[in-house]
Amino acid sequence: NAGVTQTPKFRILKIGQSMTLQCTQDMNHNYMYWYRQDPGMGLKLIYYSVGAGITDKGEVPNGYNVSRSTTEDFPLRLELAAPSQTSVYFCASSYSMGDQETQYFGPGTRLLVL
Amino acid sequence: AQSVTQLDSHVSVSEGTPVLLRCNYSSSYSPSLFWYVQHPNKGLQLLLKYTSAATLVKGINGFEAEFKKSETSFHLTKPSAHMSDAAEYFCVVHTGGFKTIFGAGTRLFVKA
Repeated sequence: NAGVTQTPKFRILKIGQSMTLQCTQDMNHNYMYWYRQDPGMGLKLIYYSVGAGITDKGEVPNGYNVSRSTTEDFPLRLELAAPSQTSVYFCASSYSMGDQETQYFGPGTRLLVL
Repeated sequence: AQSVTQLDSHVSVSEGTPVLLRCNYSSSYSPSLFWYVQHPNKGLQLLLKYTSAATLVKGINGFEAEFKKSETSFHLTKPSAHMSDAAEYFCVVHTGGFKTIFGAGTRLFVKA
C-alpha cells in the first residue's frame, strides 16, 4: 500500500493564481481531511469528507474548495491564491471518525504564494 | 472547550540520554490523546495513543506516555535518545467527529 499520496511536493504561486492540490489514498478509507500547518502552529482543519460526494467545512475553510467524487481522491482547490495561504498542506485519511481513530497522513505539499 | 498545550517548542538532548516532551490538555471529559511524529519532509506518523484502556501507553521506537488525569498531562518519554529520533512531535486531542486539536509541536534535537 502506498498509503496517502500528495502532489505536488512544492509549488510557488503568484497572487491571484489558482491551483489544485491532489490527494489520493489506497486504504479504502471513507474519511479524508485537509489540514494546513503554519510555522510554530499545530495543524488546522480546512475541510473534511465522510465519503464520496459528502464534504464539510473545518476550522479554516475560507479561500479553499474541495470535492470528493471517488473514495480514493480528495483534491483541494485554491481559486485566488493569497500570501496568507502560504503554508504546508497535509491530506489525511481514517477508517472512521471515532475519537480513538488513527489518522494517516500524506507527506505534505509546501505552497509559497508571492 | 478542548485544548492542548505543548510546553516546549524545542528540546535538545544528547544521544543516549532520556527524552521528555511535555503536553497538557484541557477537556470537559476524558479525551483520546495521541502523539504523532513528523520527520523532515514527511507526513505525520502515529507514535502512540491513549484510549482509556491503560494510563501508561507504549508506542513505537521505545517511546511511551503516561496519562495523568489529576495533572491533565500526557507527557512523552523515551529512556535513551537516538539520532533518528530528531523530529517534530505533536500532541493531539481527539474528541470525536472532526474535532481533532493539534498542539503547536515540539522539535527534538539530538546531539551526538
